[in-house]
Amino acid sequence: AQKVTQAQTEISVVEKEDVTLDCVYETRDTTYYLFWYKQPPSGELVFLIRRNSFDEQNEISGRYSWNFQKSTSSFNFTITASQVVDSAVYFCALSDERGGSQGNLIFGKGTKLSVKP
Amino acid sequence: DTEVTQTPKHLVMGMTNKKSLKCEQHMGHRAMYWYKQKAKKPPELMFVYSYEKLSINESVPSRFSPECPNSSLLNLHLHALQPEDSALYLCASSLGTGELFFGEGSRLTVL
Repeated sequence: AQKVTQAQTEISVVEKEDVTLDCVYETRDTTYYLFWYKQPPSGELVFLIRRNSFDEQNEISGRYSWNFQKSTSSFNFTITASQVVDSAVYFCALSDERGGSQGNLIFGKGTKLSVKP
Repeated sequence: DTEVTQTPKHLVMGMTNKKSLKCEQHMGHRAMYWYKQKAKKPPELMFVYSYEKLSINESVPSRFSPECPNSSLLNLHLHALQPEDSALYLCASSLGTGELFFGEGSRLTVL
């Protein structure tokens, strides 16, 4: 069965600290896709990144970076120099391709990040 | 502003009412989704429409009835709901690549 585990329920940091959100996944598929989404208090889920199972290159986008390691089935997310606006719930997700679509996402339970000024 | 529009933003209904949630996107996406999210829980997939055809129904009770009138619209008809159905209902659309564009959701309260 497919599963996503985000062991950190809540994290609190002070502005400008670096923070890493952990994600571990389970799947029997050889081709799969991993995602991170951000959900601010407004409720809308915002797409951050998509990574396919054949691409283990780490990615950096501004203050955000992602570390994908198939050997440990992990897809961790680091925010450098955190800001108050980063406060949100962050979901890691795994897709399956039933129905020909990759949008059938299985979400982890989420990590609530609070960045204090 | 989100490119997926959901209405209404808030809905309160009794257990005998019939109501509908609406979702609209104009990005040309051919896949549309309904997710349900309870408080402090992750979203759970309910339905997937691909090219206006229902492709996935995650064993959702029949009191929830989805409809996709055209490629831009997605409805969720609600009838005889239970208080435990109170949740945030999220609509999303996608090109089929997994990058979902979510609306802000419709917060439903069933009395």
